Amino acid sequence: QVQLQESGPGLVKPSETLSLTCSVSGGSISGYYWIWIRQPPGKGLEWIGYMSYSGSTNSNPSLKSRVTISVDTSKNQFSLKLSSVTAADTAVYYCARGGNYYAYMDVWGKGTTVTVSS
Amino acid sequence: QSALTQPASVSGSPGQSITISCTGTSSDVGGYNYVSWYQQHPGKAPKLMIFDVNNRPSGVSNRFSGSKSGNTASLTISGLQAEDEADYYCSSYTGSSTLVFGGGTKLTVL
Repeated sequence: QVQLQESGPGLVKPSETLSLTCSVSGGSISGYYWIWIRQPPGKGLEWIGYMSYSGSTNSNPSLKSRVTISVDTSKNQFSLKLSSVTAADTAVYYCARGGNYYAYMDVWGKGTTVTVSS
Repeated sequence: QSALTQPASVSGSPGQSITISCTGTSSDVGGYNYVSWYQQHPGKAPKLMIFDVNNRPSGVSNRFSGSKSGNTASLTISGLQAEDEADYYCSSYTGSSTLVFGGGTKLTVL
């Protein structure tokens, strides 16, 4: 049974870069698409973007200029970097595995809360 | 990209059926059979309930079903149970090779 676990700082200062890692256990990172989603407090889900095991990637147009997603097959991990953060980036960040390439998310991590504050 | 449109809330009594709608455009919901639905209980991660419009993952109750007509997709839950009370989100692939979520619907079981 594949499991995902997010890790990273819970507090990031405004204008700095948010960095999160998702560790994949119980299965290989190869052959799948890997996705980041976030949920601001009390609000709905927002799709951030994906990267495939082979390196193809795309992200939400509203975040595209600030988002970098990478995959490390040797560590069975993938990562998210979001630059120039503001308070509006405060959210629970989820990592997930893509099904049918990335048309849906069939395995989710438990989520990690990131607060942007000085 | 604009969020898909869902009703903010729906409610039903145990045993009844409810339907949650998810309206998009011809560039997302109407253009592709890649609509999925997620259930989220408070403080928990979302759970995939329906993928590719009307397919259920292994382990999801057959009380959950999905459909699509034009630019609107729907999730129907039959035989409502107390544990179905949760937030539900739809998602669709878009013509920009991205995904977009709906705003979410809070289901209350009366």
